Amino acid sequence: KAGVTQTPRYLIKTRGQQVTLSCSPISGHRSVSWYQQTPGQGLQFLFEYFSETQRNKGNFPGRFSGRQFSNSRSEMNVSTLELGDSALYLCASSPGVFSSDTQYFGPGTRLTVL
Amino acid sequence: GESVGLHLPTLSVQEGDNSIINCAYSNSASDYFIWYKQESGKGPQFIIDIRSNMDKRQGQRVTVLLNKTVKHLSLQIAATQPGDSAVYFCAENALGGGYNKLIFGAGTRLAVHP
Repeated sequence: KAGVTQTPRYLIKTRGQQVTLSCSPISGHRSVSWYQQTPGQGLQFLFEYFSETQRNKGNFPGRFSGRQFSNSRSEMNVSTLELGDSALYLCASSPGVFSSDTQYFGPGTRLTVL
Repeated sequence: GESVGLHLPTLSVQEGDNSIINCAYSNSASDYFIWYKQESGKGPQFIIDIRSNMDKRQGQRVTVLLNKTVKHLSLQIAATQPGDSAVYFCAENALGGGYNKLIFGAGTRLAVHP
């Protein structure tokens, strides 16, 4: 079974721009969660989607948004980029049925904001 | 490769020794705990998990111990190998915290010396 894939792997943007990141979950998984990883704040939960609905949300500003498609692929968008948005953005997929379902992570998208 | 954390606590061990990585969690309502391993340039990789109704679980060369009284989790790696060198994160999922909202610890860097 193929793992979680994320595209692009690396991205460089400038302040004020917007960016869209993509995540394809493991086949059959209906839940996709997004996390931001920085050296200073560690791994922080952004949001989770299940069957095209946002089911859970972390404490990030409204500039961070996401969506999920009928094939369970998910995208996250960050508008009006700030320098502090530079981070590794990780998505994780799981079956999403039970809260104890294991989450499997993709390799991440490294976003650099200049 | 990308830096996961610049100032993480580091555990240095000799190849063949046993390693113990500790983690304190904060939410007494957490009912599911996971250990992830993250190598440079990669996303977190699932190692082992444990539910709150257990106090010990064993995998291949790894054991997780849960002490709910003091809210402490530990990961034991037997016969540590150079390939075990990575950053290790504990994560918790709180009952009532919503599906797939993992709260991650700061991480511990494990350095295995030949």
